[in-house]
Amino acid sequence: KQEVTQIPAALSVPEGENLVLNCSFTDSAIYNLQWFRQDPGKGLTSLLLIQSSQREQTSGRLNASLDKSSGRSTLYIAASQPGDSATYLCAMNTGFQKLVFGTGTRLLVSP
Amino acid sequence: EAGVAQSPRYKIIEKRQSVAFWCNPISGHATLYWYQQILGQGPKLLIQFQNNGVVDDSQLPKDRFSAERLKGVDSTLKIQPAKLEDSAVYLCASSFEQITDTQYFGPGTRLTVL
Repeated sequence: KQEVTQIPAALSVPEGENLVLNCSFTDSAIYNLQWFRQDPGKGLTSLLLIQSSQREQTSGRLNASLDKSSGRSTLYIAASQPGDSATYLCAMNTGFQKLVFGTGTRLLVSP
Repeated sequence: EAGVAQSPRYKIIEKRQSVAFWCNPISGHATLYWYQQILGQGPKLLIQFQNNGVVDDSQLPKDRFSAERLKGVDSTLKIQPAKLEDSAVYLCASSFEQITDTQYFGPGTRLTVL
């Protein structure tokens, strides 16, 4: 069974802290892995997409890594801000854009 | 560029009633997806269209759910009859190509079944 697990389920940090969100997946034969952000009452916004041949992707203060052999990905957020407060979801693409999502990590960054 | 449009944004119905959701993908996007997101869970794919053909509907409860994408553009998802456990956010997404492109999501429709 294809599963994606995200730890922790919730995280609360003070502004300015660096933090790491974890994602583990069961299928090593993935096409890519994506990190999304979801704000309350809104849809998902794609943050980073890592192809299976890549080890990491960076966008601004965000850095995502991928280790297919261990079935793990991490999302690193540098110098967190209150505007980063949201739910972060990772999803593995098992082929033909079929995404299997984790349950997400709810992040709260306090001023 | 306009994003993925969905309507309505909210819907409250009684169990056993029927409901329909509409989605208009980003112009030029051939692939369209419907997801169900139950509170506290990640989205689960219900159905995937490539143009107006179904690619994957393995997780669509076909006894009560149906979806169509006429002319390969906008799409409608219908539930008939609704059950309490159908309460969820229904998300529509689209992508340009099928295999490697990222998906762009609409704001979703929040369905409450009483």
